[in-house]
Formats: sequence, structure tokens, C-alpha cells
Amino acid sequence: NAGVTQTPKFQVLKTGQSMTLQCAQDMNHEYMSWYRQDPGMGLRLIHYSVGAGITDQGEVPNGYNVSRSTTEDFPLRLLSAAPSQTSVYFCASSLFTGTDEQYFGPGTRLTVT
Amino acid sequence: GQQVMQIPQYQHVQEGEDFTTYCNSSTTLSNIQWYKQRPGGHPVFLIQLVKSGEVKKQKRLTFQFGEAKKNSSLHITATQTTDVGTYFCAGPGEGSNYKLTFGKGTLLTVNP
Repeated sequence: NAGVTQTPKFQVLKTGQSMTLQCAQDMNHEYMSWYRQDPGMGLRLIHYSVGAGITDQGEVPNGYNVSRSTTEDFPLRLLSAAPSQTSVYFCASSLFTGTDEQYFGPGTRLTVT
Repeated sequence: GQQVMQIPQYQHVQEGEDFTTYCNSSTTLSNIQWYKQRPGGHPVFLIQLVKSGEVKKQKRLTFQFGEAKKNSSLHITATQTTDVGTYFCAGPGEGSNYKLTFGKGTLLTVNP
């Protein structure tokens, strides 16, 4: 099993550009989520999904969209990038809920100039 | 909203010394998880505690969940250079099992 994979590993965007961060898991997990990690801020939940077709907002959802058309994939879309979105983004998955053991992907380091 | 606080923010120790990080929640938690993130890496699950007063050990690591289920601690005995990293606690969001709230973490560095 590859576990949780994320692409790209690194990305530089200009302010106003849009892009999609990809996340996939091959463990048949129902729950998937996106976090951002900023220095000294820990991990903050952006959006999560409890199954295909079901998504909800986390702690810091503004400026981000998600969809979940399959169990395996959970892409994160930045609609119009801003310098405040410079961060490291982690995708995670677990069997059913946020309180199950979370499996994290390797992360995407995003810089917005 | 719910807050999960960790102290200290940083800890530097000599190899062989003990280390403890503390986690406190503003609300009662149904369970608490601990994760380790190596520098440049991603968080990796260590353990989950569920019962009031629970104590679990993993080799040199000892995890405790408080009697009131509002605090937890991670203690490492005789640190090694392989223990370097940031340790996070995380608990379910208030009234929700679908949102995990992380503390800001404790960065441990070990001098060989």
C-alpha cells in the first residue's frame, strides 16, 4: 500500500492564481481531511469528508474548496491564492472519523508571492 | 471554542535526560491522541488514550490521560537523538468526532 499520497511536493504561485492540491489514499478509508501547518500554529483543519459526496468545513475553510467524488481522492482547491495561504498542507485519512488514528501524507509546501 | 494547549513550546535536553510535554484542554475530551513529527516530515500517530486515568507505555515513552479527561502528558525516559521532533496532542472538537483539534506542539531537540 502506498498509504496517503500528495502532489505536488512543492509549489510556488503568484497572488490570484488558482491551483489544486491532490490527495489520494489506497486504504479504503472513509474519512479524509486537509490541514495547514504554519510555524508555531500547530495543525489547523481546513475541510474534511466522511465519505464520497460528503464534505464539511473545518477551522479555517475560507479561500479553499473541496469535493469528494470517490473514496480514494480528496483534492483541495485554492480559488485565488493569497500570500496568507503560504503554508505546508497535509492531507490525512482514517477509517471512519476524526478520532480514529490519522494517517498523514508527506505534505505540500506552498509559497504564494 | 475548544482549545488544546501544550507546554512547553520548546525543550532542549542532553541525551540521556528525561523529557515531558503537557497537554491541556478547555473541555472534557472523549479521547486524546499523540503524534510525532520529525523535522521536515509528516505527523505520525503514536497512541490514543480513552479512559480516565489511563497510562500506556511504549518502550521509553509513557502516556497519561488525566482523571478529569482534560489533560494528558507524554514522558520520555533517557532521551536519544532519535527522539528529536515535534510532539503534538490532539482531541476531538467540541461536540464532534469529525474534527480533530491539535495543540501547537512541543519541539524537542537532543544534544548528543
